[in-house]
Amino acid sequence: EAQVTQNPRYLITVTGKKLTVTCSQNMNHEYMSWYRQDPGLGLRQIYYSMNVEVTDKGDVPEGYKVSRKEKRNFPLILESPSPNQTSLYFCASRAGGPGGTQYFGPGTRLTVL
Amino acid sequence: KNQVEQSPQSLIILEGKNCTLQCNYTVSPFSNLRWYKQDTGRGPVSLTIMTFSENTKSNGRYTATLDADTKQSSLHITASQLSDSASYICVVTDSNSGYALNFGKGTSLLVTP
Repeated sequence: EAQVTQNPRYLITVTGKKLTVTCSQNMNHEYMSWYRQDPGLGLRQIYYSMNVEVTDKGDVPEGYKVSRKEKRNFPLILESPSPNQTSLYFCASRAGGPGGTQYFGPGTRLTVL
Repeated sequence: KNQVEQSPQSLIILEGKNCTLQCNYTVSPFSNLRWYKQDTGRGPVSLTIMTFSENTKSNGRYTATLDADTKQSSLHITASQLSDSASYICVVTDSNSGYALNFGKGTSLLVTP
């Protein structure tokens, strides 16, 4: 089954404790991205990657890092989480080009105390 | 700056009734427009995609329209069901390098018995 998986689905942590949210897709997609979703603000892109070893900032990259060492994986790293990073996070992937459908993961609800 | 505006912000309708959601955009150059359905706590799922030359596209009880001249799209839901309760997000792709996605903030639809 074609899918995007994220782990963990729920996470409660404390300020400053480094964490990683994993994302994996099994569709051989070139393009992957991370979004955060907050009430009233909609989905905002954090980082995206157009292929292995190619990453770029989205609209709200501050406080986040990513890496793309393999085509299927695109982890999101919070080196020193802060309470304003409490949010619902989505990973997504799609085939290259404008016409490809973007598939979203199930989401990770992060709370930073 | 590319923008996608959706209206109304929220909507409550009775089961069995029809409704129409609106999306206005300023994205240029335009590549395509998608409507996504997002159930609470889950990732968005694509409903329809429309390119510049398409005026109407249906997916079951969902019908999307596009007027590329006025840069407006609508999503019409016929004979609503309780399972239609969700957030509906309009996403416009521009055809610049990277095919960036521009997200609306969504319309929250509640269908009541």
